[in-house]
Amino acid sequence: NAGVTQTPKFRILKIGQSMTLQCTQDMNHNYMYWYRQDPGMGLKLIYYSVGAGITDKGEVPNGYNVSRSTTEDFPLRLELAAPSQTSVYFCASSYDRNSNQPQHFGDGTRLSIL
Amino acid sequence: GENVEQHPSTLSVQEGDSAVIKCTYSDSASNYFPWYKQELGKGPQLIIDIRSNVGEKKDQRIAVTLNKTAKHFSLHITETQPEDSAVYFCAANQAGTALIFGKGTTLSVSS
Repeated sequence: NAGVTQTPKFRILKIGQSMTLQCTQDMNHNYMYWYRQDPGMGLKLIYYSVGAGITDKGEVPNGYNVSRSTTEDFPLRLELAAPSQTSVYFCASSYDRNSNQPQHFGDGTRLSIL
Repeated sequence: GENVEQHPSTLSVQEGDSAVIKCTYSDSASNYFPWYKQELGKGPQLIIDIRSNVGEKKDQRIAVTLNKTAKHFSLHITETQPEDSAVYFCAANQAGTALIFGKGTTLSVSS
C-alpha cells in the first residue's frame, strides 16, 4: 500500500523559476490537501480539494496554484518561485472532511529557492 | 477562526518516564482533536484522535484527554522509549472546516 506519494523529495530552484510538485494517492480518498511546514510554525494549509474538478484556497494560497483532474492526483504549481516559498511541502488525503476522517500524509517535498 | 496553542515546544525525558504535551483551542465549536507524530524526514502520522463526545481515549502507552469546558486537550505517553523521540503536533477542527495545527513539540527520550 503506497498511501500518499509525493515527488520529488528534494528540489532546488532559482528565483523566478516554476515547478510542479506531484502528489498521488491510491486510497480512493475524496479530499486532498497541500500544506507547507516552516521551522517552528506547524503546518499551514495552502489549497484543498473536495473531489475531481473542485479546489479551494486555504490559509496561505498566494503564489501557488492547484488542479484536480482525477481522484488520485493533486499537483501543486509554483509559477514564479520566491525565497519565501522555501519550505517543506506536504500533501495529505482523507476520505471526507465532514465526518472528520483522519488525514494521511506523504513524506514531503523539501524545496529550496535561491 | 480556530487557533491552537501547543506547549512545551521542546521536552526532554529519560527513558521510562512519562511525557505530557498540552494544547489549547479557541473555537468552542471544534469537535475533533487528532495528534500526529512526525519522525525526521517523514510526513506526520496520526497516532491517536479524540472527538468531543469523549473525555479520554487510550491506546497502549498513549492516551489523550479532553476538557471541553477549559478548551484544552493533552497527549500522555507513559514508559517512554527512545523510538518515541519525534515532533508531535496537535490539531483541532469541526466537521467541514480546515484542520488547524499547533506549532509542534520536539520530544527527546534519552536512554
